[in-house]
Amino acid sequence: GIQVEQSPPDLILQEGANSTLRCNFSDSVNNLQWFHQNPWGQLINLFYIPSGTKQNGRLSATTVATERYSLLYISSSQTTDSGVYFCGLTGNTPLVFGKGTRLSVIA
Amino acid sequence: EPEVTQTPSHQVTQMGQEVILRCVPISNHLYFYWYRQILGQKVEFLVSFYNNEISEKSEIFDDQFSVERPDGSNFTLKIRSTKLEDSAMYFCASSRKGQDASPLHFGNGTRLTVT
Repeated sequence: GIQVEQSPPDLILQEGANSTLRCNFSDSVNNLQWFHQNPWGQLINLFYIPSGTKQNGRLSATTVATERYSLLYISSSQTTDSGVYFCGLTGNTPLVFGKGTRLSVIA
Repeated sequence: EPEVTQTPSHQVTQMGQEVILRCVPISNHLYFYWYRQILGQKVEFLVSFYNNEISEKSEIFDDQFSVERPDGSNFTLKIRSTKLEDSAMYFCASSRKGQDASPLHFGNGTRLTVT
């Protein structure tokens, strides 16, 4: 099945800093989503982005399907951005999640 | 914005007991899913459901598990005889089209603790 690799596994940022999270995948995909799991365990859908670029406030995401990666950009990070960021994708399979990037934003 | 709702938010049960986790998907969605996340691990697919039948299931979804859409709004996951290793966060999700064609919307999860 599809392999999903996220990097870095852990990231510590000072409030106000920018970051880039990466999701690599092993095969062509039909659907790619980015999620934020907050400290209470809730999974919040950030982007549905099988290809192209989208922006939502301080967050943006880019998927280059031909090169099999997606990037999530967080600008001017805030403490509320802390949590685990997952990418999930399908390619004729159920949605498969990566292991996530654990982000800690320090005031 | 419509959302997927799950109840209860927490469930504690004794080993061997049956539990039913409940979900109300978004009303115009046709595809329903259950995922689980063991503490500290990644989110894993359990089962997908469409047109009143299971469309796909993982090897985790063995005979102890079953799903049902008992009426027009609820979607349930039953674990018949819980084991310690069933302790996890269980997420329900729904989508308007299949997983390849539209985003999945997740509920807030039910944290199941088996003692």
